[in-house]
Amino acid sequence: DVKVTQSSRYLVKRTGEKVFLECVQDMDHENMFWYRQDPGLGLRLIYFSYDVKMKEKGDIPEGYSVSREKKERFSLILESASTNQTSMYLCASSTPDRDHNEQFFGPGTRLTVL
Amino acid sequence: QKEVEQDPGPLSVPEGAIVSLNCTYSNSAFQYFMWYRQYSRKGPELLMYTYSSGNKEDGRFTAQVDKSSKYISLFIRDSQPSDSATYLCAMNPTDKLIFGTGTRLQVFP
Repeated sequence: DVKVTQSSRYLVKRTGEKVFLECVQDMDHENMFWYRQDPGLGLRLIYFSYDVKMKEKGDIPEGYSVSREKKERFSLILESASTNQTSMYLCASSTPDRDHNEQFFGPGTRLTVL
Repeated sequence: QKEVEQDPGPLSVPEGAIVSLNCTYSNSAFQYFMWYRQYSRKGPELLMYTYSSGNKEDGRFTAQVDKSSKYISLFIRDSQPSDSATYLCAMNPTDKLIFGTGTRLQVFP
């Protein structure tokens, strides 16, 4: 059973703080993704990674960075949190071995920036 | 124009109703069409996927793709309160998926 876990379900931070969101998958998937989900805007891709130490920008990378030092772990970093980064953050993983590229999602981290 | 458009709802139906959820898309290169279900405070989970045009049935759920119209649908027969969730369509030109904004469905007893 594929499992994607995220370090926190709920997080409250102050403006200007550096924030780390961690994601771990246990299925040896090559691909990992970070999304944010906002009402009316759906899922928006922040960053993704095809392999260890590789990263590519998604649609809204500004204000974020990522790190992938190990295959199973993908971290999202908010360098200096701002109130407009209050959102639900979802991590996902997939393998290119499946034609339809099914993504498996974690439970999400609801981040509030005050 | 967005690549994938989905009516956000919310859609509220009585138990037992037939539900129709829809998405339109603009890129004719899309080959795989997926429906994800997301319960409140959870991550999305794949419900079904279809390759190219045609229908696919899984229990009470039927996914339909019309590539000529660039239109996909998910039908839920005999809807149950446990079907209350947000349904997201998704399509994949590459390893990345492009998601619709999701339709919130509420099935009341």
